[in-house]
Amino acid sequence: AQSVTQLDSHVSVSEGTPVLLRCNYSSSYSPSLFWYVQHPNKGLQLLLKYTSAATLVKGINGFEAEFKKSETSFHLTKPSAHMSDAAEYFCVVRALGSSYKLIFGSGTRLLVRP
Amino acid sequence: SQTIHQWPATLVQPVGSPLSLECTVEGTSNPNLYWYRQAAGRGLQLLFYSVGIGQISSEVPQNLSASRPQDRQFILSSKKLLLSDSGFYLCAWSPRGTSGSYEQYFGPGTRLTVT
Repeated sequence: AQSVTQLDSHVSVSEGTPVLLRCNYSSSYSPSLFWYVQHPNKGLQLLLKYTSAATLVKGINGFEAEFKKSETSFHLTKPSAHMSDAAEYFCVVRALGSSYKLIFGSGTRLLVRP
Repeated sequence: SQTIHQWPATLVQPVGSPLSLECTVEGTSNPNLYWYRQAAGRGLQLLFYSVGIGQISSEVPQNLSASRPQDRQFILSSKKLLLSDSGFYLCAWSPRGTSGSYEQYFGPGTRLTVT
């Protein structure tokens, strides 16, 4: 069965420093992968998506992620954290053979210190 | 551009009372529609999805039901709420018939507290 594992439940960075949120997936083929962000009491917003085109995917708000098949990873990065980046981040994979079902990671809460 | 609305934003209901949450999508036609629940400190659980008017699939057996009376309207209901129904309910949509792109777009959510 497919799954995604977010390796850190909490990540804390200082404002202006780089952000790295780690995600590993399990899949026997090239998956569709996504990163979503959720601010408190808000819906989920799509940050970026990978669908087997370029392995380095650029998203909104300065975030990007790199698909590494050899490492089965899809880590999310940002060069410089902003206070407004503090939120919960979800790594998501499309379920094999499904056009509708998404499998969500458990989430990583990003804290940004001033 | 497409937008998705949910209402109410917050709701406090007693145990045993009925529930109706509404979701509407603007700016697209024939979307796939979804209801998720997010319990406190937990991930997202897919409750229902719909590929067309009157077509509802349930992912988990529960105290809830869903209906799609119009193309861009999705309703989540319950006849009698349980304490365990408390949570954050999210509606989402995705384009129908996309090739290679399966992302879903989420609404702002409804916070339901059952007392």
